[in-house]
Amino acid sequence: NAGVTQTPKFRILKIGQSMTLQCAQDMNHNYMYWYRQDPGMGLKLIYYSVGAGITDKGEVPNGYNVSRSTTEDFPLRLELAAPSQTSVYFCASSYSGGRQTQYFGPGTRLLVL
Amino acid sequence: QQQVKQSPQSLIVQKGGISIINCAYENTAFDYFPWYQQFPGKGPALLIAIRPDVSEKKEGRFTISFNKSAKQFSLHIMDSQPGDSATYFCAASGNTGFQKLVFGTGTRLLVSP
Repeated sequence: NAGVTQTPKFRILKIGQSMTLQCAQDMNHNYMYWYRQDPGMGLKLIYYSVGAGITDKGEVPNGYNVSRSTTEDFPLRLELAAPSQTSVYFCASSYSGGRQTQYFGPGTRLLVL
Repeated sequence: QQQVKQSPQSLIVQKGGISIINCAYENTAFDYFPWYQQFPGKGPALLIAIRPDVSEKKEGRFTISFNKSAKQFSLHIMDSQPGDSATYFCAASGNTGFQKLVFGTGTRLLVSP
């Protein structure tokens, strides 16, 4: 099992550009999450999904969009990148919510200049 | 009410010493308290977790102490080793609705040889 995979590992974007961060899991987990991690701020939930076709906003959804067409994939779309979106982005998955262990990917480091 | 406050922000401990990281919460609906460990360049991974029906949980050198009345919980790392050097996040989730994990801001632990 590869677990949770994320691509790319690192990306530099110019202000106003768009990109999609890819996330895939091979554990047949129903729940998937996108977090951003900023120094001293912990992990903030951007969006989550409880199953294919079902997504909802987390704490910090502005400037992002998601889709979940399959159980395995949960891409995060950044439209009109801004310097405030410079961060490390983590995708995670779990069998269900709350008390279930979340398995994290290796992260995507994004720099918006 | 959704916050989990974590301290200290950083910690330096000598090899063989005890590392202690503290967290506090306000939301009495929280009923699951995991700790995640993150090594540089990696995603967080579950280390140990506790539910409020017990006051302590031990796994090897790692112990969670839980004080329900004070709404506080802490991670103790006994006989700390250089390989324990990482960032540690406490988290909490409730038992209603989506049951999302709320993360603390993290503690960067350095164990000196």
